[in-house]
Amino acid sequence: GNSVTQMEGPVTLSEEAFLTINCTYTATGYPSLFWYVQYPGEGLQLLLKATKADDKGSNKGFEATYRKETTSFHLEKGSVQVSDSAVYFCALSDNPLLGVSGGGADGLTFGKGTHLIIQP
Amino acid sequence: DSGVTQTPKHLITATGQRVTLRCSPRSGDLSVYWYQQSLDQGLQFLIQYYNGEERAKGNILERFSAQQFPDLHSELNLSSLELGDSALYFCASSVGTSGYFGELFFGEGSRLTVL
Repeated sequence: GNSVTQMEGPVTLSEEAFLTINCTYTATGYPSLFWYVQYPGEGLQLLLKATKADDKGSNKGFEATYRKETTSFHLEKGSVQVSDSAVYFCALSDNPLLGVSGGGADGLTFGKGTHLIIQP
Repeated sequence: DSGVTQTPKHLITATGQRVTLRCSPRSGDLSVYWYQQSLDQGLQFLIQYYNGEERAKGNILERFSAQQFPDLHSELNLSSLELGDSALYFCASSVGTSGYFGELFFGEGSRLTVL
């Protein structure tokens, strides 16, 4: 079955440091890949996504590139801020096509999450 | 604000009891998903409903059940509760069966504590 593996935290960095959170996946076919973020006391929210190989998702200074050859989707940010402190989840969907019906679960498969702490 | 509403936010109960968690999806979303988040298991997909019908089932225990009503709100019923059921239960919604490339909108969760 599908699975997502990501580095477990906590990851502690100083403000303005470079961030990388590793994520690798196992899936059949060609999944879509996502990073979700969970701020304290809140639900998860989509940070960025990529739907095919070599796509780069980006949002709020974060980037991740869909690498099919290494089955990876690492999250990066050039200069983190205290406000980036949160838990980050890598996820995949094996039903990527809009409007496709029939067969397969539509629920995303999530990694266990990486707790990121940014110190001023 | 994601537009997904979950109640109650916190719930404390005893082993053997039964509880019901409620979720109202974003306006216009037809799919509702339930997830369980615990420290040891991470975020586990439980079940999905689409327009009133069960669409996909994940790691949901037989003691748990769910349904989606005609007005599209959903309820997750947890019975014969055990200590290990203590967790944060999230509801999420999306527009269609495939969720627009999988983008889900999450509520703030219902924290269940079983004593």
